[in-house]
Amino acid sequence: GAGVSQTPSNKVTEKGKYVELRCDPISGHTALYWYRQSLGQGPEFLIYFQGTGAADDSGLPNDRFFAVRPEGSVSTLKIQRTERGDSAVYLCASARGGFTGELFFGEGSRLTVL
Amino acid sequence: AQSVAQPEDQVNVAEGNPLTVKCTYSVSGNPYLFWYVQYPNRGLQFLLKYITGDNLVKGSYGFEAEFNKSQTSFHLKKPSALVSDSALYFCALNYGGSQGNLIFGKGTKLSVKP
Repeated sequence: GAGVSQTPSNKVTEKGKYVELRCDPISGHTALYWYRQSLGQGPEFLIYFQGTGAADDSGLPNDRFFAVRPEGSVSTLKIQRTERGDSAVYLCASARGGFTGELFFGEGSRLTVL
Repeated sequence: AQSVAQPEDQVNVAEGNPLTVKCTYSVSGNPYLFWYVQYPNRGLQFLLKYITGDNLVKGSYGFEAEFNKSQTSFHLKKPSALVSDSALYFCALNYGGSQGNLIFGKGTKLSVKP
């Protein structure tokens, strides 16, 4: 059984460019989370989906960040006008419906903004 | 505000010795507490959780953790460390079973020497 898949694994871009990061969750998992992990820090919550809708987007740092999950499976995190401070590893996790706290994480997408 | 603290950046243990990785928390309601482990080039993996019930919870790979409400702690323990336990360990908190995010600590690097 496949785990959570994230693409690309590495992305280098220039300041001001637009970036999309993709997450393919475990089949049948209705909950999907995006986190951001900076060097030496723990994961920081960005957004949580239950099905197709964003149940909690309180962690998105500003309006340059947006995420979608149109069919309740694959999700895309979109970052507009990237800044150097956006450089981090972006983690996606999925979970079965209903809160258990047991999240299944992907290996992350490392974003470097030059 | 809810928070998690891991006071040690690194813990060094000799193989075969017991290990403890410390975690303290601050929350206004009932905490749900978790430990995750991150091996190099691998995604975060769930180890164990405390939701309610017995204060001593057992998890994967022989790890256990003790919930101490009076000391607001949830330390991770293992009676006999293995070199393969060397990894980055994260304590995490969810408050009141809200469906959304986990709040992670900064992580503690565990190094087990032969």
